[in-house]
Amino acid sequence: QSVLTQPPSVSAAPGQKVTISCSGSSSNIGNNYVSWYQQLPGTAPKLLIYDNNKRPSGIPDRFSGSKSGTSATLGITGLQTGDEADYYCGTWDSSLSAYVFGTGTKVTAL
Amino acid sequence: EVQLVESGGGLVQPGGSLRLSCAASGFTLSNYSMNWVRQAPGKGPEWVSYISRSRNIIYYADSVKGRITISRDNAKNSLYLQMNSLRAEDTAVYYCARVEIAADGTTFDCWGQGTLVTVSS
Repeated sequence: QSVLTQPPSVSAAPGQKVTISCSGSSSNIGNNYVSWYQQLPGTAPKLLIYDNNKRPSGIPDRFSGSKSGTSATLGITGLQTGDEADYYCGTWDSSLSAYVFGTGTKVTAL
Repeated sequence: EVQLVESGGGLVQPGGSLRLSCAASGFTLSNYSMNWVRQAPGKGPEWVSYISRSRNIIYYADSVKGRITISRDNAKNSLYLQMNSLRAEDTAVYYCARVEIAADGTTFDCWGQGTLVTVSS
């Protein structure tokens, strides 16, 4: 059972914006940096956002991240059919001495 | 090209053992902390273990503690995971993942393609 909670699914029409929330606690999100990963069907997870709001080289600025208190949010603007995937938040949990992933959110472009 | 390639997965009986390997190329493994992450069929990723660059810091998930050992050979640019007393719930694709050194927080910037471990009689 994950300590980071995400909505199971979000959807929007192509071109629209979606946001995915990730709720945790003071031992994880509250005191550590958050990352976001995209997992396309049948592939390994791919880093989208790190240090709450930074994008690795090659990740378009349609993807953005933010953090407030014990929650984090991933935003995707200009939704494309190619963005249909599972998205996971992740961070270190200082109490568990473990890296924890969120429950995952499936994004669908209607 | 930066690449991680896992190997060693397969079918094993409950109580059996398996050793996974992860070969790194395109970068110097000794400069990076490394992890193993697994993903059971239809489930999200689950972090398994972490090893620092010089092996002096190691962490394990509670679900595998006492049954799994992470190790590395920087001279061979390789990471390993020795798994013993395997259970059906250990069935998953196992990924090795690199920790981004430029980040302030822990983040996995490079992943292998994964190797499937199936525990079944």
